[in-house]
Amino acid sequence: GQQVMQIPQYQHVQEGEDFTTYCNSSTTLSNIQWYKQRPGGHPVFLIQLVKSGEVKKQKRLTFQFGEAKKNSSLHITATQTTDVGTYFCAGPGYGGSQGNLIFGKGTKLSVKP
Amino acid sequence: DSGVTQTPKHLITATGQRVTLRCSPRSGDLSVYWYQQSLDQGLQFLIQYYNGEERAKGNILERFSAQQFPDLHSELNLSSLELGDSALYFCASSHSQGAGTEAFFGQGTRLTVV
Repeated sequence: GQQVMQIPQYQHVQEGEDFTTYCNSSTTLSNIQWYKQRPGGHPVFLIQLVKSGEVKKQKRLTFQFGEAKKNSSLHITATQTTDVGTYFCAGPGYGGSQGNLIFGKGTKLSVKP
Repeated sequence: DSGVTQTPKHLITATGQRVTLRCSPRSGDLSVYWYQQSLDQGLQFLIQYYNGEERAKGNILERFSAQQFPDLHSELNLSSLELGDSALYFCASSHSQGAGTEAFFGQGTRLTVV
């Protein structure tokens, strides 16, 4: 079935360093979404990518969708303590408009001040 | 505030018991999703309902069941509970039945089975 793999599982950085998490799917995705879950909180939607090779930026966050639409990445420039949390990618469960969101296991980011 | 309401926030129960978790989606959202999150684990998809009908099923145990009512709220029933069922259960809602729109998550119900 549909699988979304995410690496690394954990990342510890010094404040000010950059951070990247990668997401890979076993099948082509019609779209990919990214969520952030703060410690003790619930997942919150960050962004959705739809087009092959798409790049979107939100302040210090840069999201990319691969040309083959099977991988994606989230890059944070100059991390801050407010970036702490777990970042999840999620893709459609059945590769189309139906179905549900299948989440990767997430990358847990810790930032040392 | 995501607009998705889950009750209760915490639940402690004994093995073998049955519990019901409740979710009220955002106003206007027709899809409800249930996810299970164990310690340091990702979000495991359980089941999806759209406008009262089951739309997709994940790795949901036979001991678990769900339904969505005419007013669109949903309930997740967990029976014959085992220690391993202890987890955070999230409900999420979205406007469409597909996975192409943003999902809004509730605060979750933390279930502890003792």
